[in-house]
Amino acid sequence: QQQVKQSPQSLIVQKGGISIINCAYENTAFDYFPWYQQFPGKGPALLIAIRPDVSEKKEGRFTISFNKSAKQFSLHIMDSQPGDSATYFCAAAGAGSYQLTFGKGTKLSVIP
Amino acid sequence: ETGVTQTPRHLVMGMTNKKSLKCEQHLGHNAMYWYKQSAKKPLELMFVYNFKEQTENNSVPSRFSPECPNSSHLFLHLHTLQPEDSALYLCASSQERNRAHEKLFFGSGTQLSVL
Repeated sequence: QQQVKQSPQSLIVQKGGISIINCAYENTAFDYFPWYQQFPGKGPALLIAIRPDVSEKKEGRFTISFNKSAKQFSLHIMDSQPGDSATYFCAAAGAGSYQLTFGKGTKLSVIP
Repeated sequence: ETGVTQTPRHLVMGMTNKKSLKCEQHLGHNAMYWYKQSAKKPLELMFVYNFKEQTENNSVPSRFSPECPNSSHLFLHLHTLQPEDSALYLCASSQERNRAHEKLFFGSGTQLSVL
């Protein structure tokens, strides 16, 4: 019930392509869905987040798409660059909760 | 720099050793967290402190002992660890635990190896 399932585990995309990472959840009480980005040797950093009252949120080349009925959300990275190579974690939290449930992560490699 | 500093960056210890991990945040936050990151597993929340008071202990074995002397410093004392405790230990902070959906600021972690 508390899990957030993330796929794929790893992803290789060519420079300029679109990277897509998917997450699914079961707990309908979740109402906050952030994505964290982690570079090697660094801790995760908040990239972008969405609440279920909107179906899409865009910040630069990064877009979250949210499907409430399917209980799925995804991260799209447009015009992927080698500097985007990192591990991406989706997460979810319930209303009024500070505790995040994280996915297992997706290692993205953008090749020139 | 994220404003959250962890030391040491790497630690190798035997199962009978006692060691401590240190975290310091320079962001003026009131909540601090310990997370465990293992390969191919989700980040696991271990402990939460809010205004120096421990508010969460997610069934963590007693061989891990946290300490928060003030809102800027957090320690994780380790003793008689097991090889399966080898992982990246991440410290994080946020403005306040009681606010929902606070942005977490993570340190770079301590990579722990237990031999």
